[in-house]
Amino acid sequence: DQQVKQNSPSLSVQEGRISILNCDYTNSMFDYFLWYKKYPAEGPTFLISISSIKDKNEDGRFTVFLNKSAKHLSLHIVPSQPGDSAVYFCAASPASIQGAQKLVFGQGTRLTINP
Amino acid sequence: NAGVTQTPKFQVLKTGQSMTLQCAQDMNHEYMSWYRQDPGMGLRLIHYSVGAGITDQGEVPNGYNVSRSTTEDFPLRLLSAAPSQTSVYFCATFRGGYTFGSGTRLTVV
Repeated sequence: DQQVKQNSPSLSVQEGRISILNCDYTNSMFDYFLWYKKYPAEGPTFLISISSIKDKNEDGRFTVFLNKSAKHLSLHIVPSQPGDSAVYFCAASPASIQGAQKLVFGQGTRLTINP
Repeated sequence: NAGVTQTPKFQVLKTGQSMTLQCAQDMNHEYMSWYRQDPGMGLRLIHYSVGAGITDQGEVPNGYNVSRSTTEDFPLRLLSAAPSQTSVYFCATFRGGYTFGSGTRLTVV
């Protein structure tokens, strides 16, 4: 039972355009959502997060949107750059510290930015 | 300050062999965990530890053992490797957020 789902295994976007990565979740107890970025042969690195009390969080070129009623979040990258080519993982946890220590990850989406 | 260090980076095992994946951190974080990454499955939690002497199971613990004798080290043991354990393994620490190691790619033939 996949509690966090990224239904697009891959996405290809032209440099300079907007990249939109999507994530759906099923567990209503999830209160905290994160995006991680992973390059080949490296571990995932934290990109941006959002708590359930917000519906939007921005950090430079990256914006995460949360729609709690739809149990859906998305990551927008604009403008997209070649260095953004990586695998992006969505992750979720309950708000408690114990829950935050046991993130549930989606399957990942491989983003390719074409020059 | 190396963060989270995993060794080895690559390993090939024969079915039934045993091995230990090493994980060391120099950030003095109490919480450490092991994840495995498989195609189409994302990262799944194997075991975690909230401090020296304390470990617990995650989502997919079968076939793996852990111990935590020091804050710095959290080794993952495969007692009898199986092809289903072919995966990329990540060790991570947590304090406010996760810091991952660079991974160990394990192939069991």
